[in-house]
Amino acid sequence: DVKVTQSSRYLVKRTGEKVFLECVQDMDHENMFWYRQDPGLGLRLIYFSYDVKMKEKGDIPEGYSVSREKKERFSLILESASTNQTSMYLCASSSVAGGPYNEQFFGPGTRLTVL
Amino acid sequence: AQSVTQLDSQVPVFEEAPVELRCNYSSSVSVYLFWYVQYPNQGLQLLLKYLSGSTLVKGINGFEAEFNKSQTSFHLRKPSVHISDTAEYFCAVRGNSGNTPLVFGKGTRLSVIA
Repeated sequence: DVKVTQSSRYLVKRTGEKVFLECVQDMDHENMFWYRQDPGLGLRLIYFSYDVKMKEKGDIPEGYSVSREKKERFSLILESASTNQTSMYLCASSSVAGGPYNEQFFGPGTRLTVL
Repeated sequence: AQSVTQLDSQVPVFEEAPVELRCNYSSSVSVYLFWYVQYPNQGLQLLLKYLSGSTLVKGINGFEAEFNKSQTSFHLRKPSVHISDTAEYFCAVRGNSGNTPLVFGKGTRLSVIA
């Protein structure tokens, strides 16, 4: 059974803290993605990665960075958390094989609250 | 660039009634269309996807969607809903490269009323 896991389901941090959100997939997928989900705004892409050490900006990269040192792990970093980064963060992965038909597999999400 | 519009943010419906959740897309290239469902406090899971061929696509849990190229639509339907179908539904589109991320609509919250 395919699996994408995220390190925390719920996280509470203070303004200005550095925050790490971890995502691990066990499907040997090349592609990994970070989205944030907000009511009424749907899912917005923050960053994605095609391969180890590769990264591409999504639609809303400001205030975020990412790291992919190993194929199975993709980390999202909030350098200095702010209250407007309170959100649900969803990680996903997909294979390259099969081309554009491939679905993205999602983790359960991390609900981050910044106080 | 691709984009998706989900025309209804909320859809309330009585149990055992039919439902249609609307999705329109825009793209200048061939598109690949997906519907995902998110149950409360969970991640997204795939309901169905349009690949090619038949315009009527069947998915899990009795859902189906019809691809209409002339109307650029991919509406999701179920003939009889259950309480357990209460969830948020997302339409998504991808262009013709397997490496490009899915672009999601803003979601439709389906509430099934007993």
